[in-house]
Amino acid sequence: DAGVTQSPTHLIKTRGQQVTLRCSPKSGHDTVSWYQQALGQGPQFIFQYYEEEERQRGNFPDRFSGHQFPNYSSELNVNALLLGDSALYLCASSLVEFGYGYTFGSGTRLTVV
Amino acid sequence: AQKITQTQPGMFVQEKEAVTLDCTYDTSDQSYGLFWYKQPSSGEMIFLIYQGSYDEQNATEGRYSLNFQKARKSANLVISASQLGDSAMYFCAMREGGGGSYIPTFGRGTSLIVHP
Repeated sequence: DAGVTQSPTHLIKTRGQQVTLRCSPKSGHDTVSWYQQALGQGPQFIFQYYEEEERQRGNFPDRFSGHQFPNYSSELNVNALLLGDSALYLCASSLVEFGYGYTFGSGTRLTVV
Repeated sequence: AQKITQTQPGMFVQEKEAVTLDCTYDTSDQSYGLFWYKQPSSGEMIFLIYQGSYDEQNATEGRYSLNFQKARKSANLVISASQLGDSAMYFCAMREGGGGSYIPTFGRGTSLIVHP
């Protein structure tokens, strides 16, 4: 039973470019959350998707957007990349009614140069 | 104010010894949940243990136990019989409120190094 799958694992982009990160949730999970983890910090909540809609959003600018597909997979898009966007981006899936039980992927390491 | 505070940036422990990682939290909710995650160098966050605010017993999962002191708002992780594979970053997190809208807030983490 596959867990959470994220792609790509590593990515290098130039300032001003746009990037798309992808996440496939654990089988049976219907909710996807995205986190940004800067070096030496804990993960910071970006947003959560359920039933193809953004349910909650953390304190991130509109340059960060997302999407959830009917098969529950999700994308995170970041426009106009800044050097400060360099981080590990983690995707976590869960069951909406379960209350706890995040399963995390291994993340995408984004470097903006 | 920080919702989750982990004051130990780094901890060192001898293999087979026990270690306690500190976590204090701040919330005005009566219903909340506390978590510990392990993050090895691979990056994946691995769920270790969960404690609900109404749970009367301290949570235990194998070698992991959570020392929950509600009045002091602390939720320390105790790892017994440390193993070399326990070397990793450890994060304390809290979910506030009940229900399924589950958005945990994470602390800054503690780096644990287990020496042979």
